[in-house]
Amino acid sequence: TQLLEQSPQFLSIQEGENLTVYCNSSSVFSSLQWYRQEPGEGPVLLVTVVTGGEVKKLKRLTFQFGDARKDSSLHITAAQPGDTGLYLCAGAQAGNNRKLIWGLGTSLAVNP
Amino acid sequence: GAGVSQSPSNKVTEKGKDVELRCDPISGHTALYWYRQSLGQGLEFLIYFQGNSAPDKSGLPSDRFSAERTGGSVSTLTIQRTQQEDSAVYLCASSRDRGRELFFGEGSRLTVL
Repeated sequence: TQLLEQSPQFLSIQEGENLTVYCNSSSVFSSLQWYRQEPGEGPVLLVTVVTGGEVKKLKRLTFQFGDARKDSSLHITAAQPGDTGLYLCAGAQAGNNRKLIWGLGTSLAVNP
Repeated sequence: GAGVSQSPSNKVTEKGKDVELRCDPISGHTALYWYRQSLGQGLEFLIYFQGNSAPDKSGLPSDRFSAERTGGSVSTLTIQRTQQEDSAVYLCASSRDRGRELFFGEGSRLTVL
């Protein structure tokens, strides 16, 4: 069974701090997506990384795909209360299947 | 609207009753997913539809759960003889193809008393 482990599961920090969320697997993915979900809403895509070693930036968020396409990280600089939410990673299996494998999520609370 | 629409947004039912949850995906999206999410937790895959292919039902937790997608568009998730452990948010998502970006609805919150 292909797994995608996210860490940490919970994170509570003060406004202005930096943080990193990790998404790890022993399997290779053709691509990996990061989503953010706010209470009462469905998840919304933040970014898709496709190439091993790829780095993408979205304002204060930096996403990296591991060289071997087995892991990914999300780094937030100077976190703000608006960053609060559940962060989910989802890897697309390699090959024609492309089934999405989901991590269990990181619940982030940024306190003012 | 242009997004994924789900109804009802909230459903409270008594144990043993049947419920139907509806999903209207984005027009032109061939892939449709149903997920279940318990409070603050990750997504539990239930079922996947792709075009006219046979659906991937591997995530359905029991034979009380079923889903159909009519005409490649609207989908209905049916839960028969609901149990308290069925209480959760049921999320529907659509995408242009498998493995591509998913667009989610706001979910249907089911409470079984």
